[in-house]
Amino acid sequence: DADVTQTPRNRITKTGKRIMLECSQTKGHDRMYWYRQDPGLGLRLIYYSFDVKDINKGEISDGYSVSRQAQAKFSLSLESAIPNQTALYFCATSDWTTGGGETQYFGPGTRLLVL
Amino acid sequence: QKEVEQDPGPLSVPEGAIVSLNCTYSNSAFQYFMWYRQYSRKGPELLMYTYSSGNKEDGRFTAQVDKSSKYISLFIRDSQPSDSATYLCAMSEDSSYKLIFGSGTRLLVRP
Repeated sequence: DADVTQTPRNRITKTGKRIMLECSQTKGHDRMYWYRQDPGLGLRLIYYSFDVKDINKGEISDGYSVSRQAQAKFSLSLESAIPNQTALYFCATSDWTTGGGETQYFGPGTRLLVL
Repeated sequence: QKEVEQDPGPLSVPEGAIVSLNCTYSNSAFQYFMWYRQYSRKGPELLMYTYSSGNKEDGRFTAQVDKSSKYISLFIRDSQPSDSATYLCAMSEDSSYKLIFGSGTRLLVRP
């Protein structure tokens, strides 16, 4: 499970602050994702990237931005944090094989609290 | 209505019981079906992966897909306390990135 790492693991911030969550992977995968998890809502996709130059919005991208610094690094930023962004954030990478479908590998998560 | 519905539980069973976890869905285009297990304070990990309808078995775990009923199940035989976790179903229309997750069912296996 150390193949996908996230920092920080826990973060408390105040409304209006800019924060960055970082994700690194050693799996050699091209595809990377950011999700948030809320009680009763499951995992929802924020942004995804198929390679360094290909970044796309997911289901709930408003209020977030991302940066793909390298194949192995994908960062999520909250430009001006608000309390309803309090959630558990997961980074994932995927191992897509032709005809074989998608297998996503998740990091350990970052627990974010916005006061 | 959510695309994927999953009872949140918690589901509490004694050790050794057979556990049945289920999801229903509304999108008939879903073809790939997955079960993820998530331990407390950990990320989800893929447990089972099936394509289209039918059964797939892996040790104590069996995944079933009934596309006609839009219903998928995960069975755990001889459940162990170490199986205590939240189980998330996920599905996609094709072999692409876009997974739709259920909200998860919390399982507690009592020693």
